[in-house]
Amino acid sequence: DSGVTQTPKHLITATGQRVTLRCSPRSGDLSVYWYQQSLDQGLQFLIQYYNGEERAKGNILERFSAQQFPDLHSELNLSSLELGDSALYFCASSVTSGEQFFGPGTRLTVL
Amino acid sequence: AQSVTQLDSQVPVFEEAPVELRCNYSSSVSVYLFWYVQYPNQGLQLLLKYLSGSTLVKGINGFEAEFNKSQTSFHLRKPSVHISDTAEYFCAVSESGGGADGLTFGKGTHLIIQP
Repeated sequence: DSGVTQTPKHLITATGQRVTLRCSPRSGDLSVYWYQQSLDQGLQFLIQYYNGEERAKGNILERFSAQQFPDLHSELNLSSLELGDSALYFCASSVTSGEQFFGPGTRLTVL
Repeated sequence: AQSVTQLDSQVPVFEEAPVELRCNYSSSVSVYLFWYVQYPNQGLQLLLKYLSGSTLVKGINGFEAEFNKSQTSFHLRKPSVHISDTAEYFCAVSESGGGADGLTFGKGTHLIIQP
């Protein structure tokens, strides 16, 4: 158990819908990262937050957004969903550069 | 920008044999290097990391890796594998320092242990 929690574990929705994925980092970790894992694209970095502020952006679509709240939990919002957005979404957290701890992931299925 | 190449998508190995999983990277800046393992239907677990110092890094479960700056490689090795090592292995790189350190992953190598 990495100490990073993600909810929900599974999510099934329809095209055009909007969903919110939630992540609670390890106690004391200020950085939160979001990654997408799909068969087509592999593991891709989406976005990083540090202590409530956006720190780095990766291959995140404009339809996706994220935020980190004062209690350090983070949410990833996915809107206007397409079939190709079906993937595993991982959250990771770290206290400093050098090691990220991954959550168990949320499996999103868009029908 | 960084990139990671894992040269083998699948590596079949007999139980108790040695194994090497290859990883090459490219980057215009200094990097940190990582190997993660993913068991079926699970998240990613860190095997080992290179941040600085000794180029030979030892990790969990008997794995080790060697950082070779001139060849921009970070190959993962284990002298004797077990059935329980069957998993997907990912090499990853991040920019060192600066705090913006999203990981860039390779496409993964599926290690298949044959009895």
